[in-house]
Amino acid sequence: GQNIDQPTEMTATEGAIVQINCTYQTSGFNGLFWYQQHAGEAPTFLSYNVLDGLEEKGRFSSFLSRSKGYSYLLLKELQMKDSASYLCAAMDSNYQLIWGAGTKLIIKP
Amino acid sequence: GAVVSQHPSWVICKSGTSVKIECRSLDFQATTMFWYRQFPKQSLMLMATSNEGSKATYEQGVEKDKFLINHASLTLSTLTVTSAHPEDSSFYICSARGGSPQETQYFGPGTRLLVL
Repeated sequence: GQNIDQPTEMTATEGAIVQINCTYQTSGFNGLFWYQQHAGEAPTFLSYNVLDGLEEKGRFSSFLSRSKGYSYLLLKELQMKDSASYLCAAMDSNYQLIWGAGTKLIIKP
Repeated sequence: GAVVSQHPSWVICKSGTSVKIECRSLDFQATTMFWYRQFPKQSLMLMATSNEGSKATYEQGVEKDKFLINHASLTLSTLTVTSAHPEDSSFYICSARGGSPQETQYFGPGTRLLVL
């Protein structure tokens, strides 16, 4: 079956770095997406990886290893506004997004 | 770019009434639109996928006669919750994608439905 695993919750300190991991098993693979969702709001797109390696976008970076079925989202210089849920989604061979349950990130001062 | 709007943002209605939610892509042509539902503290649940001019494809367990989806143009899709009941109260979110299936899905701001 198809499956996405990511931690349920993580806590980090303002100004620090946090890495949110995601492992996936899908029928075929057409890329890995990360979205941010603040409480009570809709998800917003953060990144897309389809090739192995690290994609950097400001304070946020996303990494993909296709051979390991693994991705991570790296958040640097954490700010209080980064407190949100981070959703990992893998696109399968039918171009369907398989969603993880999300990782709730709590930032403490 | 890639802005998706939803209207209304909040709906409160009586049990038995029908509610229509609109989803619009404002600055791109959305070949495919998706409708999701999210209950509090739960993950996104895909309800259906619609392609412009075609009938929507519903996920297993989603009643197509209760959740009517119309995708009549490349910028507009509507979801009608017919004969809404309290258990239909949820956060309904649409997303839109351009012509290529690998393109990013961009989400609308969501619609909170409360059925009394």
